[in-house]
Amino acid sequence: SQQGEEDPQALSIQEGENATMNCSYKTSINNLQWYRQNSGRGLVHLILIRSNEREKHSGRLRVTLDTSKKSSSLLITASRAADTASYFCATDAGNMLTFGGGTRLMVKP
Amino acid sequence: DTGVSQDPRHKITKRGQNVTFRCDPISEHNRLYWYRQTLGQGPEFLTYFQNEAQLEKSRLLSDRFSAERPKGSFSTLEIQRTEQGDSAMYLCASSFENSDGYTFGSGTRLTVV
Repeated sequence: SQQGEEDPQALSIQEGENATMNCSYKTSINNLQWYRQNSGRGLVHLILIRSNEREKHSGRLRVTLDTSKKSSSLLITASRAADTASYFCATDAGNMLTFGGGTRLMVKP
Repeated sequence: DTGVSQDPRHKITKRGQNVTFRCDPISEHNRLYWYRQTLGQGPEFLTYFQNEAQLEKSRLLSDRFSAERPKGSFSTLEIQRTEQGDSAMYLCASSFENSDGYTFGSGTRLTVV
């Protein structure tokens, strides 16, 4: 079974706009990770945020974590057509990753 | 060592046949994971190994599924008497115990016809 839910399930924006995806989870975690998956391909690790961190940045990516609400958000700034992909959050409670259902992002040129 | 390798990339099989997939993890990683992903869904955990020991198995892993990691290096996932519902992407990942990082392979896409 999947740990959490992602919102929205699908997002369509214009190039240059920002994209925000949200993830909710159910149990205590050590860290939360975001992955990207192009159609039919494997998962690529984007960013990890530990349970004692509230915000993290990596290039055009900004991740927040609110452990009291058991939620996280991923912001992609100044989106590009090449950002079109599915994005998954995954929680790590120590032994394995548990994934959400993903957000399918389409960035129109 | 360029990452996690999975073989084959694609497999088409007839219902009732047995299939076996292979995963070669990053050599320094002692943990190896198998996930299954159906179209439009997130990956679902199947099982994981620490060295050669299989430490956890999901309820998704029916009796028709078996995974091995005989020498604590590569792993195989076998599905016996395949069913159409087994059609999915099978992903392998590896990590080092007490490390946060997971590296995924490109997956094996199974189609059961």
